[in-house]
Amino acid sequence: EVQLVESGGGLVQPGRSLRLSCAASGFSSGFSFADYAMHWVRQAPGKGLEWVAGISWDSDSIGYADSVKGRFTISRDNAKKSLYLQMNSLRTEDTALYQCVKDIVAVTGTRGFDSWGQGTLVTVSS
Amino acid sequence: DIQMTQSPSSVSASVGDRVTITCRASQGIDTWLAWYQQKPGKAPKLLIYGTSTLKGGVPSRFSGSRSGTDFTLTISSLQPEDFAIYYCQQANDFPLTFGGGTKVEIK
Repeated sequence: EVQLVESGGGLVQPGRSLRLSCAASGFSSGFSFADYAMHWVRQAPGKGLEWVAGISWDSDSIGYADSVKGRFTISRDNAKKSLYLQMNSLRTEDTALYQCVKDIVAVTGTRGFDSWGQGTLVTVSS
Repeated sequence: DIQMTQSPSSVSASVGDRVTITCRASQGIDTWLAWYQQKPGKAPKLLIYGTSTLKGGVPSRFSGSRSGTDFTLTISSLQPEDFAIYYCQQANDFPLTFGGGTKVEIK
């Protein structure tokens, strides 16, 4: 079973930066971390799900939500089985639980998120 | 960007009821729609992807269908463990987008 463990969250002042990391393990059935698109999804307290950013298996295709475009950068290191989210110019509205998620289908475009981490809480406040 | 309009925002139902949740895409997304179930304090669980493909282990009382840009999640006979919030998500193109969610409550 795939396990995703996020880290790097915390309390930060508006305008500052944070870098989130996600360590992946437990891949089997002939596929590895390097075969899957990965994403960040966030959920503000008491609110719905918001997709933040996604990156294809080979980092060739990257996308961002309009709300974070130009401020956040997603990246991955397949050798380290890790996903990252660099968050700059943080705003109070970025306060949320940030979860690392894995696509259900290898190599192809996104189809759905079948593995979710427990998340790391980011609180932006002065 | 593709907007996903989910309805209703909440529904009250009894065990054994048939429940239908709808998601409308603001433009064509082919069959690239997924459905998730989220219970309080837990991470969402993928139920269906590609409009109608059930993820392994998901009970067959869950089903998905499509008519143009309208997508439907149906629970044929609601069980006690199905009371939760359900979200749709378009997986056609970046930026990916979720619907606003539907809370299924006990009547």
